[in-house]
This record gives sequence, structure tokens and C-alpha cells, in this order.
Amino acid sequence: DAKTTQPPSMDCAEGRAANLPCNHSTISGNEYVYWYRQIHSQGPQYIIHGLKNNETNEMASLIITEDRKSSTLILPHATLRDTAVYYCIVPLNAGNMLTFGGGTRLMVKP
Amino acid sequence: EPEVTQTPSHQVTQMGQEVILRCVPISNHLYFYWYRQILGQKVEFLVSFYNNEISEKSEIFDDQFSVERPDGSNFTLKIRSTKLEDSAMYFCASRYTSGINEQYFGPGTRLTVT
Repeated sequence: DAKTTQPPSMDCAEGRAANLPCNHSTISGNEYVYWYRQIHSQGPQYIIHGLKNNETNEMASLIITEDRKSSTLILPHATLRDTAVYYCIVPLNAGNMLTFGGGTRLMVKP
Repeated sequence: EPEVTQTPSHQVTQMGQEVILRCVPISNHLYFYWYRQILGQKVEFLVSFYNNEISEKSEIFDDQFSVERPDGSNFTLKIRSTKLEDSAMYFCASRYTSGINEQYFGPGTRLTVT
């Protein structure tokens, strides 16, 4: 898997946008970027994925730089329930498994 | 909305005993996984299963572990002789397509080995 680097923790005020960065400078041309999150002790939850274009779904937006070496997950209006560890993962295309690093612990504060 | 379910939610067992953790993946999914998370540590991949056979496994998944899909709905993880260090949260996951790695996780089974 391509190595990813994320800040260990971030804070965000409730109602504001949370912007979570991820570096994946060794990503290859056909590898997708996936974002998952884990709310305390629960199973990880798929959020979004992308290849090169920006993507948006009901949970979040994903902005991928043109060189694909980094990406940003955006939660447009963070709520207290968005407090979780967020993982940026670049799995091998041929692989099956997800490799979870340390992720970013996002704390949404009132 | 369909979801992955796991039973039991908490299992306590004595060292050396066999345990079976059960999962019901989402019904039309084709790929199945087990992960574990020791308290305070990262989520670790154990094994993936497709077309009734193991497709990948990690170093953690040694001879003490086995998986089975005994019928069209259940997916089980068996630990033959549990050790204290097997105490962890075990998550089952499933996904539908081969191209996109969008995995859906269950709520987990907390295994406590005493």
C-alpha cells in the first residue's frame, strides 16, 4: 500500500467545516484514495473514495490535488457525532485488505 | 439500510478454549474479511475470503485461526486455542465489487481471554 501521512489530531468547532489532510506522495496512477472513520470502539465506517477528480457524497467531500500526492477530506458542517478517528488509506489495486494507520483523531467541540 | 451483524457482542473465554465468532455479511456481498483491534491499538487485517476460499491472510492469522462460510449467510472466525493476547475487538467486514474497496464493517465482537 502507498504510505499515507496524517496529523495525529485536530480540533474543529461544531457547525464549522473540518478539513482533514492526508499526504500520499508515493501513490501510483491507478490507486484510489479511501477515507474511513472509526467512532469510539465501533466498526470502521466507509466515507468516500476518489481517484483524481474531486468527489462529494452525503457525508463528505474529497479534494485530491492535481499531482495526486495529497488529499483533503472535508466535513462541511461538523457535528459532535463526527468526533472520530479518520483514516486515509491507499490500498493496492490488486490487494484486498485495508491497512489502517494511526489516522487523525478529530475532536468536534461545542 | 442493510448492515453487517456480528454475534456475540462480547465473549469471555478461558485461555486454551475454542471460540467461534459469527458474522452475517450484507446479503449480496461477495468479499468477506476479519480484522481485529487490540485495545488502544490500530485496526489490523486478519484474513479475506472470496469464492469459498481465503484470498489473503496476515501473519497474525496462523494455524490457530480458521474461517468458514458454512451456509449462504454466515461467516465465522474460529480460534482453536485462545491465548491472552487474542483479547481484542474483532470486526467482520464485507464488500460487493472487486473493483472498489468499499468495505462495510460490523459492530464488532469484544473477545476477552482470561
